[in-house]
Amino acid sequence: DVKVTQSSRYLVKRTGEKVFLECVQDMDHENMFWYRQDPGLGLRLIYFSYDVKMKEKGDIPEGYSVSREKKERFSLILESASTNQTSMYLCASTPGSPGNTIYFGEGSWLTVV
Amino acid sequence: QKEVEQNSGPLSVPEGAIASLNCTYSDRGSQSFFWYRQYSGKSPELIMFIYSNGDKEDGRFTAQLNKASQYVSLLIRDSQPSDSATYLCAVNVDYKLSFGAGTTVTVRA
Repeated sequence: DVKVTQSSRYLVKRTGEKVFLECVQDMDHENMFWYRQDPGLGLRLIYFSYDVKMKEKGDIPEGYSVSREKKERFSLILESASTNQTSMYLCASTPGSPGNTIYFGEGSWLTVV
Repeated sequence: QKEVEQNSGPLSVPEGAIASLNCTYSDRGSQSFFWYRQYSGKSPELIMFIYSNGDKEDGRFTAQLNKASQYVSLLIRDSQPSDSATYLCAVNVDYKLSFGAGTTVTVRA
């Protein structure tokens, strides 16, 4: 079974703190994604990566950055957390060809106070 | 216009009835289409995917795709209380998967 692991499930951070959300997948997938999910808005794509050291902005990249130094790991960074970044963050991965099923991690619930 | 739009719901159906979920998308280059189910507090799980026009059946679920109308739907037959969840439509363009806001379904026993 494909496993996408988000190491931090529940975090509470203060405004202005730097926050790292880590994601690891164990199936050698080329593509990895970070989404955030908010009530009534569905899943919105923050960033994605189709190869090591490659990254592309999604629909809502402002206030976020990412890092992909190794194929299996994709990190989401909030340089200076703000209260409007309180959300549920989902990491996902998929093999290289378009149209493949996407596999999700269990989610990271971030509260910024 | 949002890339993927779903009927807003919530949708309440009696047990044993058919639940019908609709989704439209804006990008004609979309290549593949997915339906995910998400229980409260959990991550989405794949129910079905469809690539070609027409119907695709899997157990009690049927996905229907009409690329000319840019429309994809999901039918849940013989709805069960365990089907109560939010259903997300997702559309793949190149390597990006875009999601609708979801439709919450409640199956009344």
